[in-house]
Amino acid sequence: DTEVTQTPKHLVMGMTNKKSLKCEQHMGHRAMYWYKQKAKKPPELMFVYSYEKLSINESVPSRFSPECPNSSLLNLHLHALQPEDSALYLCASSQGQGVIAAKNIQYFGAGTRLSVL
Amino acid sequence: DAKTTQPPSMDCAEGRAANLPCNHSTISGNEYVYWYRQIHSQGPQYIIHGLKNNETNEMASLIITEDRKSSTLILPHATLRDTAVYYCIVRGETSGSRLTFGEGTQLTVNP
Repeated sequence: DTEVTQTPKHLVMGMTNKKSLKCEQHMGHRAMYWYKQKAKKPPELMFVYSYEKLSINESVPSRFSPECPNSSLLNLHLHALQPEDSALYLCASSQGQGVIAAKNIQYFGAGTRLSVL
Repeated sequence: DAKTTQPPSMDCAEGRAANLPCNHSTISGNEYVYWYRQIHSQGPQYIIHGLKNNETNEMASLIITEDRKSSTLILPHATLRDTAVYYCIVRGETSGSRLTFGEGTQLTVNP
């Protein structure tokens, strides 16, 4: 099973709302990722968690707040977003990190399509 | 990480082999070539990876030139469901956890 589950599939929110995106995997993976993908563009890395600790933040604005409650769950808390934050948000996981290529293979969820009004 | 160059789009007839090229002329010795694809409105899907030897799995074959400056992903019998954006990514030890996606190739398989 190589499934990464993201909820919700679609989300519409106003600029003053607070919402959360959820990601779950049961593959025993110890690295989890958030990506943002604008229309007709490639995915861009936002955050990386390794062993439940934030290891990479790609200078993402503080209105995006990631959280990793345990090794299977990854959340992305959203607050005071702007219309330009509308995008597909993708979660991924990998067995680990480091020099072993197979452990770096990332498995992606189907994404949450976010619209900010 | 080495930069990759891919054609923006390609067409292929259903049932024929699809050969997707990728140029990575600045690749270094410890960097791997990974291929992912993204079917419309879905998340990217891992296809295959390799270092210097040719690789084959149930989805595709990866041919890497001897100088490692380019590679070709081969889908031996393309189907309509293979229509997707295909990303060639070069990644090494110094990448950490980063997968840096380029613009990719939009492959359209025609009936």
